Amino acid sequence: QKEVEQNSGPLSVPEGAIASLNCTYSDRVSQSFFWYRQYSGKSPELIMSIYSNGDKEDGRFTAQLNKASQYVSLLIRDSQPSDSATYLCAVRLSNSGYALNFGKGTSLLVTP
Amino acid sequence: DAGVTQSPTHLIKTRGQQVTLRCSPKSGHDTVSWYQQALGQGPQFIFQYYEEEERQRGNFPDRFSGHQFPNYSSELNVNALLLGDSALYLCASSQPGQVIFGELFFGEGSRLTVL
Repeated sequence: QKEVEQNSGPLSVPEGAIASLNCTYSDRVSQSFFWYRQYSGKSPELIMSIYSNGDKEDGRFTAQLNKASQYVSLLIRDSQPSDSATYLCAVRLSNSGYALNFGKGTSLLVTP
Repeated sequence: DAGVTQSPTHLIKTRGQQVTLRCSPKSGHDTVSWYQQALGQGPQFIFQYYEEEERQRGNFPDRFSGHQFPNYSSELNVNALLLGDSALYLCASSQPGQVIFGELFFGEGSRLTVL
């Protein structure tokens, strides 16, 4: 099993809809979870961090963490065409020290 | 407040050559990490520098080396370049005391093409 897994997509949603991005990870005791947004040809930009079970909301973004199921998700409400990008899930696994382990990313396309 | 800055932004090398990439961390940050991102993949951890020492290294060969200077800036050196070294090289910095939480701020990257 890969350490951090994401569906590569593309995930296509209409403008105004909710986009749901999912990520699973291999290590039950991992403590730090992040979502990065990466536009084509650009570097990753941190949009959410979450450390405890439950939901964390920031504007149109909600991160959801379920450590028992080893699952973290990102919801984007009222999706806009400018949200079209690749979303990278990153986890600081318990055996990875200071390194972040990234998934391959999910490509999101928001259509007008 | 300047973010993480990297140079050069793009460069082309041939197999066997050597390359040096440079990074200045975000103001107030003292820890620098380097990641390699191949096309269509997530970033892969190369190493992290703190207090001018390599604190942790990922699964990369010794051809990859680095340095951190007293002003916290950093260099990544790659020797004997291979075609497979073609990638976006990302520098990321962290706040003092926050690195344990893993929150990273990335620069725009240096895109290396090896011919």
